[in-house]
Amino acid sequence: DAGVIQSPRHEVTEMGQEVTLRCKPISGHNSLFWYRQTMMRGLELLIYFNNNVPIDDSGMPEDRFSAKMPNASFSTLKIQPSEPRDSAVYFCASRGLKGSETQYFGPGTRLLVL
Amino acid sequence: KNEVEQSPQNLTAQEGEFITINCSYSVGISALHWLQQHPGGGIVSLFMLSSGKKKHGRLIATINIQEKHSSLHITASHPRDSAVYICAVTNFGNEKLTFGTGTRLTIIP
Repeated sequence: DAGVIQSPRHEVTEMGQEVTLRCKPISGHNSLFWYRQTMMRGLELLIYFNNNVPIDDSGMPEDRFSAKMPNASFSTLKIQPSEPRDSAVYFCASRGLKGSETQYFGPGTRLLVL
Repeated sequence: KNEVEQSPQNLTAQEGEFITINCSYSVGISALHWLQQHPGGGIVSLFMLSSGKKKHGRLIATINIQEKHSSLHITASHPRDSAVYICAVTNFGNEKLTFGTGTRLTIIP
């Protein structure tokens, strides 16, 4: 299996622009997680989905952030409008059936907002 | 909210030394995870445990539920073990991972 795939791997944009991060989970996994990592706050969960349904989005920092999972093989995290403080590494992870709780992480998207 | 603390924050050791990284948490959990983040940034899940001990190669993870404490041990450490090791927990009825701040391990040849 190719593992969790994220794109783009790096993104540089200007403040105010819309940013869309993409994730393809491991085939057959039914849970998907979006995390953000910064030097100041470490790793934080933003939102997670079970069977394409958002379960907990309490970690989403503001209304500028939104996430969707239209089907089992694709999810997006969108920031509109972006701000310099959104600069971070964004990780997507997927997990198989409940009871098998190991999460498999994607390589991350490094976002820099100027 | 579960508070997850790791110690030490930074650890430098000579190749071959036995390494111990500690993790403590404040509230009962359903599972504890040890993750490894390579210098390039990728994150790998090493262990998920809810009781006892698990071993994989030179890595051993233990957990004491009563004391709310876990340790990650590395035997015969090697420079390729240099990474950030992150402890994370999930609470009962909730699949969210709460992360510790990580331990940066450097193994010197």
